[in-house]
Amino acid sequence: QVQLVQSGAEVKKPGASVKVSCKASGYTFTSNYLHWVRQAPGQGLEWMGLINPSGGGTGYAQKFQGRVTMTKDTSTSTVFMELSSLRSEDTAVYYCARDVDGIGSGGTYNWFDPWGQGTLVTVSS
Amino acid sequence: DIQMTQSPSSLSASVGDRITITCRASQSISSYLNWYQQKPGKAPRLLIYVASTLQSGVPSRFSGSGSGTDFSLTISSLQPEDFATYYCQQSYHTRTFGQGTKVEIK
Repeated sequence: QVQLVQSGAEVKKPGASVKVSCKASGYTFTSNYLHWVRQAPGQGLEWMGLINPSGGGTGYAQKFQGRVTMTKDTSTSTVFMELSSLRSEDTAVYYCARDVDGIGSGGTYNWFDPWGQGTLVTVSS
Repeated sequence: DIQMTQSPSSLSASVGDRITITCRASQSISSYLNWYQQKPGKAPRLLIYVASTLQSGVPSRFSGSGSGTDFSLTISSLQPEDFATYYCQQSYHTRTFGQGTKVEIK
């Protein structure tokens, strides 16, 4: 079955960087874009950006431009999300999610399925 | 950016109740609208995509409707396992989520 397995929890100091991994299995890794979404404690879901595992192209939410880098390792079917210059507000659970697309009457539609289990990143001095 | 606004932010209901959650987009997004369910400590789970298509394995008591700017998620008869937070998401331009609707037991 399609599965996304993320790396374990991290504790970082303000100003540091964190790199979270997401290993895909059960499908052809290069066939689907992968997204990153984060959720601060008690808050909603916030989209961070996406990566195309085929060519490595990326697209980031404006809020994270300049601070986030998404990369991939095709040999291990793994994508990575690195967030730099961490501050306390970056404390959150970070999820990866597979982009699925389908053709409909109005064009090509997209949704997320499945999601990784989440990685808690805590930023604290 | 496209803003997504859900209402209500929370609601209390009983097992067997019919409930409806609404989601409004700041501009027309056609049917580029998905719904997710999230339980505490768990990752979100896809319920409905393209506004009204039920994901495989999701009970038929869940349904979605709408297009353009106004959408809704309806649960026809609430079950104990449905108490969770629900999010809408647009995929018309990048991705944006609504702020969530928490469904609690009355």
